[in-house]
Amino acid sequence: AQSVTQLGSHVSVSEGALVLLRCNYSSSVPPYLFWYVQYPNQGLQLLLKYTSAATLVKGINGFEAEFKKSETSFHLTKPSAHMSDAAEYFCAVSNSGAGSYQLTFGKGTKLSVIP
Amino acid sequence: DTAVSQTPKYLVTQMGNDKSIKCEQNLGHDTMYWYKQDSKKFLKIMFSYNNKELIINETVPNRFSPKSPDKAHLNLHINSLELGDSAVYFCASSRLGTDTQYFGPGTRLTVL
Repeated sequence: AQSVTQLGSHVSVSEGALVLLRCNYSSSVPPYLFWYVQYPNQGLQLLLKYTSAATLVKGINGFEAEFKKSETSFHLTKPSAHMSDAAEYFCAVSNSGAGSYQLTFGKGTKLSVIP
Repeated sequence: DTAVSQTPKYLVTQMGNDKSIKCEQNLGHDTMYWYKQDSKKFLKIMFSYNNKELIINETVPNRFSPKSPDKAHLNLHINSLELGDSAVYFCASSRLGTDTQYFGPGTRLTVL
């Protein structure tokens, strides 16, 4: 079974500081990995995904993530935090099978941005 | 244009009632999903439908039943609602054979 672990349920950064949200995965096969963002009272929006094409994946809103097989990690970063980045972030891994690609989510990390 | 829509956005009801949540996608996708997000924000898949066939059915109570009248819709019916069913329910869709899922805005269900 595949799983993801997000380290830190709550991360606070100052506006303009580096954002680093951690995600480690467990998978018996090469994984597809995702980061989703959930703004307050809204649905989930795809930030970026890794599908083995390139280890450094660039997403929307200036976010990027690097797949490191040796560390089984897929951490999300952004060089400079904006107030609008305050949200819940979810790492997910895809379990493929029978034409339906089930997503297994981590427990989420709430990002707070301090002015 | 909304890609994945859900109705209602909020649903407050009494224990024991039966309720439905509707989901529609206009993306032409073949696969649709229902997820439950609990009070701790943990997301877990409940069902997925592919070409009108249920292909994943997690260990959810049989009080929950997905119904897909056509490829663009996947409704969630819940019978005999319990307090523990209170959560936010998300619908999602994807193209067949792909894993990028597009989520609806969610339905917040509160059972009193």
